Amino acid sequence: DGGITQSPKYLFRKEGQNVTLSCEQNLNHDAMYWYRQDPGQGLRLIYYSQIVNDFQKGDIAEGYSVSREKKESFPLTVTSAQKNPTAFYLCASSPVERGSTDTQYFGPGTRLTVL
Amino acid sequence: GQNIDQPTEMTATEGAIVQINCTYQTSGFNGLFWYQQHAGEAPTFLSYNVLDGLEEKGRFSSFLSRSKGYSYLLLKELQMKDSASYLCAVGSTGGFKTIFGAGTRLFVKA
Repeated sequence: DGGITQSPKYLFRKEGQNVTLSCEQNLNHDAMYWYRQDPGQGLRLIYYSQIVNDFQKGDIAEGYSVSREKKESFPLTVTSAQKNPTAFYLCASSPVERGSTDTQYFGPGTRLTVL
Repeated sequence: GQNIDQPTEMTATEGAIVQINCTYQTSGFNGLFWYQQHAGEAPTFLSYNVLDGLEEKGRFSSFLSRSKGYSYLLLKELQMKDSASYLCAVGSTGGFKTIFGAGTRLFVKA
């Protein structure tokens, strides 16, 4: 079965610690995305990558970092510089056919709580 | 600026019809999406409109008016499992960014 996996589903960390969220897809999609979702707000784009070894900042990239060494994988690191990291994090992928009009396929999400 | 507006919450009765509206103001337009998201789960794709008019897909239909910056999602024969958030999203031109609205939480009651 093709899809996107994120692990873990729930993650707890102490303030000041860096944490890496995993995202893997086997849909053979070129583009991958990281979003943050907070209650009452829309999905906000953190980073996206159109191709391996290349990625771009989204609207709220400060305090986050990513890498794209493999087509299938796009891990997100939440650093201690992120002021308010507790949130629901969603990873998505899409084929690169129409650009922003390509349908995005989402992973199940990781709920990060910083204590 | 870029803005997508949709109602925060709606309640409807099982078996009824509900219309969820979305208005948008974005710098460039390259299609409008509707996604469904159950609580604590991933959004799933429902529909995509790039031209004006109505797209029907089973119990769900989506309408777009580009001149008015307006779309709606119509859900017919509501079922309890339709209780979820419905996200309106606009694809921007010249890039890979999709702008998401905050979502409309739909409660379906018996």
